[in-house]
Amino acid sequence: QQQVKQSPQSLIVQKGGISIINCAYENTAFDYFPWYQQFPGKGPALLIAIRPDVSEKKEGRFTISFNKSAKQFSLHIMDSQPGDSATYFCAASMLTGNQFYFGTGTSLTVIP
Amino acid sequence: EPEVTQTPSHQVTQMGQEVILRCVPISNHLYFYWYRQILGQKVEFLVSFYNNEISEKSEIFDDQFSVERPDGSNFTLKIRSTKLEDSAMYFCASTPSQVNSPLHFGNGTRLTVT
Repeated sequence: QQQVKQSPQSLIVQKGGISIINCAYENTAFDYFPWYQQFPGKGPALLIAIRPDVSEKKEGRFTISFNKSAKQFSLHIMDSQPGDSATYFCAASMLTGNQFYFGTGTSLTVIP
Repeated sequence: EPEVTQTPSHQVTQMGQEVILRCVPISNHLYFYWYRQILGQKVEFLVSFYNNEISEKSEIFDDQFSVERPDGSNFTLKIRSTKLEDSAMYFCASTPSQVNSPLHFGNGTRLTVT
């Protein structure tokens, strides 16, 4: 069973545009939702994270929108830049667990 | 900024051989993890480790796998008899606590089993 579903698999955006990546989860016990950014040859790095007590969190050009009733959350990258080209993973974990469940990743390409 | 370091960056081994992947977690972190990523696929949990014992493991982490913290700094993953399907990027990660702490990943070891 896939705990976290992510879409799209790949995304091409013009420089200055908005990149939107969506994730959905099944387990209502999840209570921490991070997004990771991964460049080729590197490990995933935390980009931004949210807890379900808020509906939105913004850090610079990156915003997480969270819809608890729909069990969905999304990453918005405003004013996308070529340097944002990377693979993005959403993830979820439970307060009482050690394990993070990752989405399948989205390969983002920002065209100059 | 402190980081998780992994060695080697690339390991090639023959099927049936034993490999040991090494990690040095961030020094004040208490929880350690191994994840793997088969090429082009999602990151998958293998095992978590706390207080010198496994706290959780996935179905992937069968009897061929073991983890160890042989000293105060290193954290190792051993695969006893490698299979072709073990070829993947193996990421070590650490967190300072269990509760909603983000994972700090190393840059990974690419394991190629031939």
